[in-house]
Amino acid sequence: GAVVSQHPSWVICKSGTSVKIECRSLDFQATTMFWYRQFPKQSLMLMATSNEGSKATYEQGVEKDKFLINHASLTLSTLTVTSAHPEDSSFYICSARLGLAENPYEQYFGPGTRLTVT
Amino acid sequence: AQTVTQSQPEMSVQEAETVTLSCTYDTSESDYYLFWYKQPPSRQMILVIRQEAYKQQNATENRFSVNFQKAAKSFSLKISDSQLGDAAMYFCAWAYNNNDMRFGAGTRLTVKP
Repeated sequence: GAVVSQHPSWVICKSGTSVKIECRSLDFQATTMFWYRQFPKQSLMLMATSNEGSKATYEQGVEKDKFLINHASLTLSTLTVTSAHPEDSSFYICSARLGLAENPYEQYFGPGTRLTVT
Repeated sequence: AQTVTQSQPEMSVQEAETVTLSCTYDTSESDYYLFWYKQPPSRQMILVIRQEAYKQQNATENRFSVNFQKAAKSFSLKISDSQLGDAAMYFCAWAYNNNDMRFGAGTRLTVKP
């Protein structure tokens, strides 16, 4: 149980275009989802916290107009990188929190999306 | 500020031997959760073990166990009978209330056959 999927797993786009990444909780409802960015050989850096039906909360230094997050349902959150540039190339990981009383804070991670902007 | 520190960027262990990965954290909270995640080359984050701060007993999951020292704010991971499949990046993480999860910088574990 507690499976999170991401689509696509790998995407190449041209500079100036936008790309959307989907994150789905397959077998549970997630009131809270998270988006992380990971550079090679580095740790996960939280970009934003997404709650169903409300605006995402962005971490300091993350441009909300560039990284659009939509959490339209309890099983789907999307990250849209707008007007992508080569410096946006990275590995993007989403996670979802079950929020069970006996395990309230564990996050279940998607397999990640590798974005390359040319 | 809540921080998680992993002081060992790389560790190496011989197959079938035991290795311990270190993690310390800084928080003023008393009730929180600690996690160890494994990230193999596929980059899929996999939960290894979880510890609730209010529990004094150290968590154990098969070959994986932790040494949780709350007063010292230390949360080390011991891997017994290391296997080649244990080779990965290991991240220590801390979570409290409805806040996000804080990750350490990671330790790359190499298992030698």
